[in-house]
Amino acid sequence: KAGVTQTPRYLIKTRGQQVTLSCSPISGHRSVSWYQQTPGQGLQFLFEYFSETQRNKGNFPGRFSGRQFSNSRSEMNVSTLELGDSALYLCASSLDLRQGVGHEQYFGPGTRLTVT
Amino acid sequence: GNSVTQMEGPVTLSEEAFLTINCTYTATGYPSLFWYVQYPGEGLQLLLKATKADDKGSNKGFEATYRKETTSFHLEKGSVQVSDSAVYFCAQAYAGGTSYGKLTFGQGTILTVHP
Repeated sequence: KAGVTQTPRYLIKTRGQQVTLSCSPISGHRSVSWYQQTPGQGLQFLFEYFSETQRNKGNFPGRFSGRQFSNSRSEMNVSTLELGDSALYLCASSLDLRQGVGHEQYFGPGTRLTVT
Repeated sequence: GNSVTQMEGPVTLSEEAFLTINCTYTATGYPSLFWYVQYPGEGLQLLLKATKADDKGSNKGFEATYRKETTSFHLEKGSVQVSDSAVYFCAQAYAGGTSYGKLTFGQGTILTVHP
């Protein structure tokens, strides 16, 4: 079974621009979560989508947004980029969690975003 | 709030040494607990998990036991290899409600194993 894929793997953007990152989950996985990883803050949860609905959101400004499509693929968008947005953005997928057990998430390789 | 604390690194060991990486969590209720590993330039890989008290997760020679009484989930391996060099993350998660899809991670522990 193919793993989680993320595109692009690397991006260089300028302050003030916007960027869209894409994530394709493991086949059959309906939940997609996004995380930001930086040396200073570690791994921080951005948001989670299930069946095209955002069910949970972390403590990030409104410049960070996302969406999920009917095939469970997800995108996240960052508008008006700031230098501090430079990070590795990780996407993770998992099965339906409604039974309340497991929560294991499978991660993609990440997108390395550099803002100059 | 809920949080995860890992022992500070980096940890440097010789090949075949015993490994322990401490992890404690603060939480209300009973989260599921995980260890993830990250190799340079890659995403996170699930190493092992435990979903209830006294569960032992194991994989590739690594083990961790869910200890409710000490709120701990320490990672151990009896004999490390150079290929185990990576960053290790402890994480917790809850079911449902405002916790959907959210893993809370520790700060990570860098492990370097020398031949």
